[in-house]
Amino acid sequence: DAGITQSPRYKITETGRQVTLMCHQTWSHSYMFWYRQDLGHGLRLIYYSAAADITDKGEVPDGYVVSRSKTENFPLTLESATRSQTSVYFCARRTDYGYTFGSGTRLTVV
Amino acid sequence: GIQVEQSPPDLILQEGANSTLRCNFSDSVNNLQWFHQNPWGQLINLFYIPSGTKQNGRLSATTVATERYSLLYISSSQTTDSGVYFCAAQTGANNLFFGTGTRLTVIP
Repeated sequence: DAGITQSPRYKITETGRQVTLMCHQTWSHSYMFWYRQDLGHGLRLIYYSAAADITDKGEVPDGYVVSRSKTENFPLTLESATRSQTSVYFCARRTDYGYTFGSGTRLTVV
Repeated sequence: GIQVEQSPPDLILQEGANSTLRCNFSDSVNNLQWFHQNPWGQLINLFYIPSGTKQNGRLSATTVATERYSLLYISSSQTTDSGVYFCAAQTGANNLFFGTGTRLTVIP
């Protein structure tokens, strides 16, 4: 168990809708991350958080919003979903032994 | 950001064979990890190895930080080893940069 849980595992949404992907960690590691995985691009960082109420942009932040009111939770919101946001989304946390990843959310925007 | 290159891109092995996967990175690192993405899409952390050598069962990894490369060795491969192996590196900033992976297929 990596100690990091994502939900839902699968999501289909329509273009223009708002959708939130959830990420929860056991314990209270400071750093948490959101990545997306696309064919031909590998994994790319969307946003990260160094602590509660501290977030910062990664490589591909446009169209996404994050919040971190509690250390354990790091939700990712697509404010108005587009087809280009169809992807697999991974949440991660950083420990003294590197990054560990959740099981991912496969999001399809139709 | 740091550039991470992996080779080979694809590898097909007979069960029981050994293999070596390579990862080159373009800058000094404070974190180097190997992951296995299984056929269900899960990213499994294999090694946290910014330098030195580690072994875990049939898998071992070596990172030569001064020469900016890391190697992942798989011995006596099994069909369950199939999947994509990613190398990822971090240098200072809060981002783990991934290579494009090596897709391993182990055939019985």
